[in-house]
Amino acid sequence: GAVVSQHPSWVICKSGTSVKIECRSLDFQATTMFWYRQFPKQSLMLMATSNEGSKATYEQGVEKDKFLINHASLTLSTLTVTSAHPEDSSFYICSARLPGYNEQFFGPGTRLTVL
Amino acid sequence: GDSVTQMEGPVTLSEEAFLTINCTYTATGYPSLFWYVQYPGEGLQLLLKATKADDKGSNKGFEATYRKETTSFHLEKGSVQVSDSAVYFCALSDPAGGSYIPTFGRGTSLIVHP
Repeated sequence: GAVVSQHPSWVICKSGTSVKIECRSLDFQATTMFWYRQFPKQSLMLMATSNEGSKATYEQGVEKDKFLINHASLTLSTLTVTSAHPEDSSFYICSARLPGYNEQFFGPGTRLTVL
Repeated sequence: GDSVTQMEGPVTLSEEAFLTINCTYTATGYPSLFWYVQYPGEGLQLLLKATKADDKGSNKGFEATYRKETTSFHLEKGSVQVSDSAVYFCALSDPAGGSYIPTFGRGTSLIVHP
C-alpha cells in the first residue's frame, strides 16, 4: 500500500513551452502533497506544499507564478512549469503524506529536460 | 532548526564488506528518523524508520538504531551486494512543528564493486 505515481517519468520540451507533471496517490487519500526538486548529486529541495482545496505554500525563493501547483482532489496534485527554460531542467519528485502518520511516500520522479 | 548531517561519500566497498553510513541529527522535539534509498534515475524509497529512542529499524539486511543520547541513526549492513549501489538519505520528521515535512541529509553515495 501507500503508492505514489508520477507522470510522465521523463519529458523533453522546447524553451518557452509549459509542462505539466502529475502526482497521484494510488491507494490512499492525501490531503497534503509535496513537490521537490533535485539537482544532480544533490539532496532534495522542497519547492512547495500542496494542500487539497487551497493554495499551495511555496518555499522561499520558489517562484509561484513559474511553478503552478494545483491540488484539485485528494489523490492528485499537478505541477506546471510555465514558460520553461533550460535552467528549469531537473529531476522533480513529489511525495504524499499518509494521513495520521508521520511518514511520506515518494513518487518515482520526473526528469525534465528543456532544450 | 532541525538538521541532519551525513557522512560524505562516495563510500566505495567490495562485495560482502560491512557497511556503515553515519547520520547525526539535531531537533527541537522528538522526531521520527528515516533512511531512504535512491537508485539511479529513480525516486526515493523508504528503506527503514524508527519512531522513538532505542527503536531499531531494519529492512533488506540494513539496520539503524535510534540513539537519543548520541543523536544518531547510523545505517549498517553486514554484507553489501553490488545491487546495494545507490544514494542513501538520512531524514527526520519532527511533528512538533505540525508540518511533517522531512529534513534530509545531503545523501551518501554507495558504490559496491564485485
